[in-house]
Amino acid sequence: AQKITQTQPGMFVQEKEAVTLDCTYDTSDQSYGLFWYKQPSSGEMIFLIYQGSYDEQNATEGRYSLNFQKARKSANLVISASQLGDSAMYFCAIRSGNTGKLIFGQGTTLQVKP
Amino acid sequence: EAGVAQSPRYKIIEKRQSVAFWCNPISGHATLYWYQQILGQGPKLLIQFQNNGVVDDSQLPKDRFSAERLKGVDSTLKIQPAKLEDSAVYLCASSLDRALARGEDFGAGTRLSVL
Repeated sequence: AQKITQTQPGMFVQEKEAVTLDCTYDTSDQSYGLFWYKQPSSGEMIFLIYQGSYDEQNATEGRYSLNFQKARKSANLVISASQLGDSAMYFCAIRSGNTGKLIFGQGTTLQVKP
Repeated sequence: EAGVAQSPRYKIIEKRQSVAFWCNPISGHATLYWYQQILGQGPKLLIQFQNNGVVDDSQLPKDRFSAERLKGVDSTLKIQPAKLEDSAVYLCASSLDRALARGEDFGAGTRLSVL
């Protein structure tokens, strides 16, 4: 069974500063994928970034980067230069390489202060 | 390209009533998912279709929930009869393939309130 743990229910960050959202995972699969999604108050889930279990380099997408530490089973999301529009719920998720099923964590609410 | 379309956006019903949600995936996407997101939690997969066949429905409460995907395109999710604990956002998502690095494309969801 796979599991995602996000221990920060809520986070605050000052506009233009960087913020790290924590994510740890548990899986017995050798092959898996890690995802981060953003969910604004409007409700849609927006894909942000992906890291494959065999990828040696940390993934980056614009202001988003994923700090992947495989031995520690962590996949933290780093948002650089926070913007007011980054205020949202953020979900970490893991996809099994065997079943393809996507399992989400509980989410972290991020609020960016002006 | 047009995104995943869902309707209605909101629905309020009384317990024991029936309700149906509709989803139109992105054109050409073979895989379609229905997720249930209870307030304060992450989405939970209810059912996954590959074209018009069911790949995974292990977490679908089959005594009250049913889903179908017509001709491998649109899908409907039905709850009959609804319970208070079914109050949630129902998200539809689609993808080109089952295992991919990009993640599914999600619709805006249907917010269901059961009174």
